[in-house]
Amino acid sequence: GQNIDQPTEMTATEGAIVQINCTYQTSGFNGLFWYQQHAGEAPTFLSYNVLDGLEEKGRFSSFLSRSKGYSYLLLKELQMKDSASYLCAVKDSNYQLIWGAGTKLIIKP
Amino acid sequence: GAGVSQTPSNKVTEKGKYVELRCDPISGHTALYWYRQSLGQGPEFLIYFQGTGAADDSGLPNDRFFAVRPEGSVSTLKIQRTERGDSAVYLCASSLTPGQGYNEQFFGPGTRLTVL
Repeated sequence: GQNIDQPTEMTATEGAIVQINCTYQTSGFNGLFWYQQHAGEAPTFLSYNVLDGLEEKGRFSSFLSRSKGYSYLLLKELQMKDSASYLCAVKDSNYQLIWGAGTKLIIKP
Repeated sequence: GAGVSQTPSNKVTEKGKYVELRCDPISGHTALYWYRQSLGQGPEFLIYFQGTGAADDSGLPNDRFFAVRPEGSVSTLKIQRTERGDSAVYLCASSLTPGQGYNEQFFGPGTRLTVL
């Protein structure tokens, strides 16, 4: 079967750094996505990794290791507005997205 | 430019009734997806259209669910004989033709369906 695992909830402090992990087992791999979803809103695209390594985009970075079936999203200089759910999704051999359940990130002042 | 739009934003109906949910994708996006999301869960795939045809409907839970995209743009998700378990947020997303490369999916704001 296909499976995406992420922690259910994490808490971090404003101004700090947090790393959200994602492990996956899918039928084929054509890239991994991270989306942000604020409560009551639609998911919005954050990052895409298809090759191993780190992709940096401002305060957010995403890492991929295909051999380990592992990715993480790194958020630096946390702001209160970063409180949201972060969804990991893998594009499988049919080019369809398989979604994790999301990690709810709580930022405390 | 205009993003993905969905109507209605909220729909309350009674068990056993029929509902239609509409999605208007980004102009030029050939791929359209319907998902269902329950609280605390990721999106659950329902159906994917490439143009007018349903390329993958393997996520539709049963034959009460049906979707169309007759002109390759607007899509309607139809649910017959609604059940309380159908209550969820129904998300629509569109993208360029999926394939290699990231072709991110752009999501609409969703329709919150409540079946009483």
